[in-house]
Amino acid sequence: DAGITQSPRHKVTETGTPVTLRCHQTENHRYMYWYRQDPGHGLRLIHYSYGVKDTDKGEVSDGYSVSRSKTEDFLLTLESATSSQTSVYFCAISESSGFSPGSYEQYFGPGTRLTVT
Amino acid sequence: KQEVTQIPAALSVPEGENLVLNCSFTDSAIYNLQWFRQDPGKGLTSLLLIQSSQREQTSGRLNASLDKSSGRSTLYIAASQPGDSATYLCAVTGNQFYFGTGTSLTVIP
Repeated sequence: DAGITQSPRHKVTETGTPVTLRCHQTENHRYMYWYRQDPGHGLRLIHYSYGVKDTDKGEVSDGYSVSRSKTEDFLLTLESATSSQTSVYFCAISESSGFSPGSYEQYFGPGTRLTVT
Repeated sequence: KQEVTQIPAALSVPEGENLVLNCSFTDSAIYNLQWFRQDPGKGLTSLLLIQSSQREQTSGRLNASLDKSSGRSTLYIAASQPGDSATYLCAVTGNQFYFGTGTSLTVIP
């Protein structure tokens, strides 16, 4: 299994509070991604990173920010959590980009279950 | 916007059957298609990756095919086993990453 850990694994927080989720990899892969998974919607890309301090928005980026100061760590922050952000959050990594022709494969972490009350 | 559909949403088969899971997508301008398996409460495990220039990939009892022109991929599972019970997801890569909502497979002993 790819060396990807996520912390915390479970979190309950109140509306309006800031929340930071951490993804840590030991594979030295260049690309890192944050997804959320909701019933009926499947997985949706929030943000991704293509290098240290290089990030871009995904399909559902509103209300989320990210940072990557080291190759191995990618942080997802909810500045002011809302109930609509209750979800399971997955981090993924890949060695190369899937946005251009070529071989790449995404590997996923175990997920963080976030509940906003 | 790319739409990825997986039909059926749920499937139940007796052990030993061969089965096919379907994935369709609306925009044929994709670079890759990847099949995943997800067990309840767990992350996603990559099963097969098909590049846009390929027609199929095989791994053990699994075979995935890709027809870009028709916007379809199939995942064939031979001689199904109870351990194959899980949700199977397909994902396509174009200018973004798009996932289907999955097919929940139950293999009955």
